[in-house]
Amino acid sequence: GEDVEQSLFLSVREGDSSVINCTYTDSSSTYLYWYKQEPGAGLQLLTYIFSNMDMKQDQRLTVLLNKKDKHLSLRIADTQTGDSAIYFCAEGLPPDKLIFGTGTRLQVFP
Amino acid sequence: DTAVSQTPKYLVTQMGNDKSIKCEQNLGHDTMYWYKQDSKKFLKIMFSYNNKELIINETVPNRFSPKSPDKAHLNLHINSLELGDSAVYFCASSPSGSGYEQYFGPGTRLTVT
Repeated sequence: GEDVEQSLFLSVREGDSSVINCTYTDSSSTYLYWYKQEPGAGLQLLTYIFSNMDMKQDQRLTVLLNKKDKHLSLRIADTQTGDSAIYFCAEGLPPDKLIFGTGTRLQVFP
Repeated sequence: DTAVSQTPKYLVTQMGNDKSIKCEQNLGHDTMYWYKQDSKKFLKIMFSYNNKELIINETVPNRFSPKSPDKAHLNLHINSLELGDSAVYFCASSPSGSGYEQYFGPGTRLTVT
């Protein structure tokens, strides 16, 4: 069945780059997303990529999509303490259907 | 400055009761949604409102009734709760015409006993 997998934890030093990885199974997905969730808050849309794109860059964020391997990654350059949060990968055909990963908790230490 | 907020975050109630979940967004979006998360990861749309008007109404029991008093609020009222209604319910909003740019609330975990 359809599924989205992420590693649970990532710990990086402030100033380094963070790379959060995600794999998905549904090759018919139109959009792939990265969301950020801070404690007690909702899911903040960080960025998304259309399935016919390989890469998207937005300031410190770079999204890479490998359609062959069904692999999505989010790279955060110059990671700051304020980037500490849970990051969710999602894929689907909104608004009808969305499948979320279980989230990767990013911890940034000084 | 929470973008999409829901209340309550947790709701435990008995079968047969009537309950409401409230959602508010301060993003100035025109479109709001309610999703039900049955499994751990899968969100299925229930309703969508655009400028207070219903535009998507999936096959959900008519015990579920959304209400949009203004375009910043979309509340979900559930009558005669059943055990199978137990789930996490997510509210979301998006700019009009951009259903792919959705921002989600933190979710409300409903447990029916």
